[in-house]
Amino acid sequence: EAQVTQNPRYLITVTGKKLTVTCSQNMNHEYMSWYRQDPGLGLRQIYYSMNVEVTDKGDVPEGYKVSRKEKRNFPLILESPSPNQTSLYFCASNLAGGSADTQYFGPGTRLTVL
Amino acid sequence: AQKITQTQPGMFVQEKEAVTLDCTYDTSDQSYGLFWYKQPSSGEMIFLIYQGSYDEQNATEGRYSLNFQKARKSANLVISASQLGDSAMYFCAMREGHKGNKLVFGAGTILRVKS
Repeated sequence: EAQVTQNPRYLITVTGKKLTVTCSQNMNHEYMSWYRQDPGLGLRQIYYSMNVEVTDKGDVPEGYKVSRKEKRNFPLILESPSPNQTSLYFCASNLAGGSADTQYFGPGTRLTVL
Repeated sequence: AQKITQTQPGMFVQEKEAVTLDCTYDTSDQSYGLFWYKQPSSGEMIFLIYQGSYDEQNATEGRYSLNFQKARKSANLVISASQLGDSAMYFCAMREGHKGNKLVFGAGTILRVKS
């Protein structure tokens, strides 16, 4: 089944404790992205990647890191999480970029930082 | 400036009736894509329908259609014959041709279908 997977689905942590949210897609897509969803703001892009070893900032990159060492994986790293990073996070992938290319989303990771 | 505006925070519709969810957008690009996603209470984002800026026909996918009015910069989602399972949050989103890989989302509209 073609899908984007994320782990963990739920995470409660404390301020300053480094964490990684994994994302993997099995569709051989070139592009991958991370978004966060906050009430009243919709989804906002954090980072995206156009290919292996090629990443770029989205609208809200502060406090996050990403890497793309393999085509299928795009982990999101929070080096020192803070309470304002409590949010619902989505990983997404799409085939080749361009305005017509549909993004497919993972199931989401609900993160709470205490 | 808001790129995507969804002016209806919440909507109610009677089962089996049609409902229109509003979306207006702002771009100076000639090439762009407009998308609608559904987010049920379980949280996942489900792609519904796509409209390209150069498409002359309105997009349709089953009970979903997109009322695209380019001059007014609107891309309203029409759901026909509403079902209880249509109760969800609905997001309008846009990708501009030259803006990397970013989808810009509206704030969403919560739809509740009444039986």
